[in-house]
Amino acid sequence: EAGVTQFPSHSVIEKGQTVTLRCDPISGHDNLYWYRRVMGKEIKFLLHFVKESKQDESGMPNNRFLAERTGGTYSTLKVQPAELEDSGVYFCASSHRRVRGGYTFGSGTRLTVV
Amino acid sequence: AQSVSQHNHHVILSEAASLELGCNYSYGGTVNLFWYVQYPGQHLQLLLKYFSGDPLVKGIKGFEAEFIKSKFSFNLRKPSVQWSDTAEYFCAVTGEYGNKLVFGAGTILRVKS
Repeated sequence: EAGVTQFPSHSVIEKGQTVTLRCDPISGHDNLYWYRRVMGKEIKFLLHFVKESKQDESGMPNNRFLAERTGGTYSTLKVQPAELEDSGVYFCASSHRRVRGGYTFGSGTRLTVV
Repeated sequence: AQSVSQHNHHVILSEAASLELGCNYSYGGTVNLFWYVQYPGQHLQLLLKYFSGDPLVKGIKGFEAEFIKSKFSFNLRKPSVQWSDTAEYFCAVTGEYGNKLVFGAGTILRVKS
């Protein structure tokens, strides 16, 4: 089966610009997660979708971040306006509701804000 | 709040050496425990996981981990590493019914050939 796909793989933008990251989960996976790793730090949870609903968005850093999952398929994470501290690698993961702990990760999007 | 501590940030070993990576977690209830690996340029992959039962868990590629509840630890081991084990290793935890993973800071392993 196809894995979790994220694009772009890399993005370099200027401070103040907008960037949209996309995640395509494995087909049939209701759960979709966003994580972020700032350089040198641990991977941190951002939010969790169950189908199109936000189950937990406790990790979203501030209101410059907007995540959507229209139709319960792919998800987008928009950062507007981007700040320098938003630089990092953004990971997406998906899992099937009946497979406990069965997370599949994408390769991540490396975002650099200059 | 849950937290995960990985003891070593960088480990360098020669091929055939034994490996043990430490992981301690902080959480008051029942936990699910994971070890993930990220090879250079690749996505995070599951090495092994523990939910319940035998505290000694065997994973892929010859890795194993032991859950010691009294020490809140879940250390990763491999008796003989290979150059291809060069990667970054992450310990992670969820609550019993939780979904979000809480990760440690990662351990970069370099195996010299």
